[in-house]
Amino acid sequence: DTAVSQTPKYLVTQMGNDKSIKCEQNLGHDTMYWYKQDSKKFLKIMFSYNNKELIINETVPNRFSPKSPDKAHLNLHINSLELGDSAVYFCASSQRLAGYNYEQYFGPGTRLTVT
Amino acid sequence: AQKITQTQPGMFVQEKEAVTLDCTYDTSDPSYGLFWYKQPSSGEMIFLIYQGSYDQQNATEGRYSLNFQKARKSANLVISASQLGDSAMYFCAMRLTGGGNKLTFGTGTQLKVEL
Repeated sequence: DTAVSQTPKYLVTQMGNDKSIKCEQNLGHDTMYWYKQDSKKFLKIMFSYNNKELIINETVPNRFSPKSPDKAHLNLHINSLELGDSAVYFCASSQRLAGYNYEQYFGPGTRLTVT
Repeated sequence: AQKITQTQPGMFVQEKEAVTLDCTYDTSDPSYGLFWYKQPSSGEMIFLIYQGSYDQQNATEGRYSLNFQKARKSANLVISASQLGDSAMYFCAMRLTGGGNKLTFGTGTQLKVEL
């Protein structure tokens, strides 16, 4: 039933480790996103994919690499985790029709804690 | 570059009263969309309402309405008949038509509904 799902919901790991967060949407949308919400609740776009093609790549360290195996999935891999990567990561999806972009639906978020 | 400003970090309202959450934006692009999202303490992001820059009428969705004043570049959210369940963080966001559909968020307003 869940429209946009993320796994895991919580992720606690040590500095230097590599981790992945998975996102899946069953809404039939063609565009997916990753956002980061910091400790002050500020939300910022990281990446966006449309039909598996990267269309937005904000100023994000190279340690972050998104991968979209198909339109319904967008995973986020993070190498060499740092303390500053601790945040809540949200996946979102939307549909683009006739040049018009509809509202984005967000997943439940993944709380990443780096110790 | 586009910017969203929410000047009220926190607001209180009594149950059954109406409340207005402020949002101003800055863009030189004539085509844009404005969104409001709700984030309860459980953490998920819930889409509430959308206003397009060319829409002639203010958007309404149930108890939510958007007071869109284009000349003033404001898009305030009005919640009527507040309920305890409305207590949450509220984010205003803007999307430029040519911006790859990325959302630029404000810093949010924490709303607390009291008995």
